[in-house]
Amino acid sequence: NFMLTQPHSVSESPGKTVTISCTGSSGSIASNYVQWYQQRPGSAPTTVIYEDNQRPSGVPDRFSGSIDSSSNSASLTISGLKTEDEADYYCQSYDSSNPVFGGGTKLTVL
Amino acid sequence: EVQLVESGGGLVQPGGSLRLSCAASGFTFSSYWMHWVRQAPGKGLVWVSRINSAGSITNYADSVKGRFTISRDNAKNTLYLQMNSLRAEDTAVYYCARDPTYGRFDYWGQGTLVTVSS
Repeated sequence: NFMLTQPHSVSESPGKTVTISCTGSSGSIASNYVQWYQQRPGSAPTTVIYEDNQRPSGVPDRFSGSIDSSSNSASLTISGLKTEDEADYYCQSYDSSNPVFGGGTKLTVL
Repeated sequence: EVQLVESGGGLVQPGGSLRLSCAASGFTFSSYWMHWVRQAPGKGLVWVSRINSAGSITNYADSVKGRFTISRDNAKNTLYLQMNSLRAEDTAVYYCARDPTYGRFDYWGQGTLVTVSS
């Protein structure tokens, strides 16, 4: 079964840039779109990146997404970190047409 | 404004049943695929099931296949998840989510907690 692997946690200081990776277990991660969801404690997830690198309206351009076929991974980059960015982040793609989520990455902004 | 409101969660004994509902508003419900996604306490997101806009195509995660049934009533703008033979490992917050382009989620409900315990 296809799996997406994320680091369990990352931390960075306000104003800095952080990148969260999402590595596919097999095949080519570039074959299907990757989405990124932000989930703050006690809240439902919200989309910050869809279709690899598209931002929904209302999501600041500090958030960007990319695909690296050579490492079979997707990345979410957040620049100019703010304390409000502290949350769990999940990547999502599909396996044989069924959605698959990464395990999530806890971002701490300290 | 798009709204998804889940209901029907609660405490149920192992082996029991529960039916979750998701009331949709603010968009043409009958035009969208819909999903259920769950999250066990302190754990990550896990896809559970989806249904096409007409209600004629359904898919399930292996962990719930044969026990859960997804359905919808487009006249009532409501999505359902019938959960039978519940197990402790089904304990989770269950979210309904809208799918704008087959395979991703753009709007989520606030979730409803299902606890399976004796």
